[in-house]
Amino acid sequence: QSVLTQPPSASGTPGQRVTISCSGSSSNIGSYYVYWYQHLPGAAPKLLIYRNYQRPSGVPDRFSGSTSGTSASLAISGLRSEDEADYYCAAWDDSLSAVVFGGGTKLTVL
Amino acid sequence: QVQLVESGGGVVQPGRSLRLSCVGSGFSFSSYGMHWVRQAPGKGLEWVTLIWYDGSYKYYADSVKGRFTISRDNSKNTLYLQMNSLRAEDTAVYYCAASYGGKQAPDYWGQGTLVTVSS
Repeated sequence: QSVLTQPPSASGTPGQRVTISCSGSSSNIGSYYVYWYQHLPGAAPKLLIYRNYQRPSGVPDRFSGSTSGTSASLAISGLRSEDEADYYCAAWDDSLSAVVFGGGTKLTVL
Repeated sequence: QVQLVESGGGVVQPGRSLRLSCVGSGFSFSSYGMHWVRQAPGKGLEWVTLIWYDGSYKYYADSVKGRFTISRDNSKNTLYLQMNSLRAEDTAVYYCAASYGGKQAPDYWGQGTLVTVSS
């Protein structure tokens, strides 16, 4: 069981907006920055969102992050076929003195 | 641009040791905290360990505590992971990753190196 809870799957059609949730606690999301990654098979994880909502240069503004209390969300608008991938949230956890990841959400573009 | 290149993976028998290396370039290696993160076949990402930018603090996942040791040589822009008493469940792709700051998740990632523990 992962410390951060994500839905195992999500789906949408091209052009749609999808949201992936990430639920944690006061010792992680409630106190530390949330990061989001896109992971394709055989590739390095790619940073999509850092420090809750910041986008690295080169990441399209179709990707956005937000937090509220002990939960975080990743929104993808204008869904495209190339967005089909696994998505992970992560944060530092003070109780564990560790980085904790969500279990990952497999996004399917129908 | 930022590059992290891992090496040292391979097939090793249970109970044996292996050392992974990761060379960083394109950023100020000595200013970044460095992590190892792994992904077992068919599983999600699992954080393994973090070393502070100057090596002053080290943190480990419970699953590897006492068996794995993280270290770094800032003069060589190189990160290491010494893995002892390897188990079948340590089989995974191991990623080297960097974070600007202390207690936070990584910003940059390497391509990974595969470690297979099998007799």
